[in-house]
Amino acid sequence: SQTIHQWPATLVQPVGSPLSLECTVEGTSNPNLYWYRQAAGRGLQLLFYSVGIGQISSEVPQNLSASRPQDRQFILSSKKLLLSDSGFYLCAWATTGNTEAFFGQGTRLTVV
Amino acid sequence: SQQGEEDPQALSIQEGENATMNCSYKTSINNLQWYRQNSGRGLVHLILIRSNEREKHSGRLRVTLDTSKKSSSLLITASRAADTASYFCATDANDYKLSFGAGTTVTVRA
Repeated sequence: SQTIHQWPATLVQPVGSPLSLECTVEGTSNPNLYWYRQAAGRGLQLLFYSVGIGQISSEVPQNLSASRPQDRQFILSSKKLLLSDSGFYLCAWATTGNTEAFFGQGTRLTVV
Repeated sequence: SQQGEEDPQALSIQEGENATMNCSYKTSINNLQWYRQNSGRGLVHLILIRSNEREKHSGRLRVTLDTSKKSSSLLITASRAADTASYFCATDANDYKLSFGAGTTVTVRA
């Protein structure tokens, strides 16, 4: 069966520090991968999606970047965090077509 | 930008009552999905309805889709305290991008 792992679960980082959040998927090949951010009490904002290794599409201009070094690995990064980067980050995968998305448990990032 | 918008933003009901929430979207879609999120957790898929379907059932869930009005509704019948969560609709304008609305927070009182 397929599983998705996302870590860490919580993170407190100072302003200006770097960020690396990792997401890995098991049990499937060539998944579409997604990073979403959710502000408190709000909906999900799509940040990045990837349909293959090295292929990254950015949805909004921001202080973040994403990379997909392996088929089932998706990394969210920042060189210098801003206060506004605080939020709940969710990784998800899906297969191309009319299928459901599977989400990780999320990372709550607090930038102080 | 968010494709779907849920209404109402929040809903409080008594256990045993039905909960109805709506979703409106802007562009043509392949399918529409509903997800549930417990506080501080990831989203869990509930049900998918294709653009050529009008109604779908899954257990206590009933989803309708009106593509002419670009809207969908999710009905939870005979609600339970465990149904307390946020519910999101999601649409895909193409095969890759899944866009979510702001969600409806449902509180079921025991």
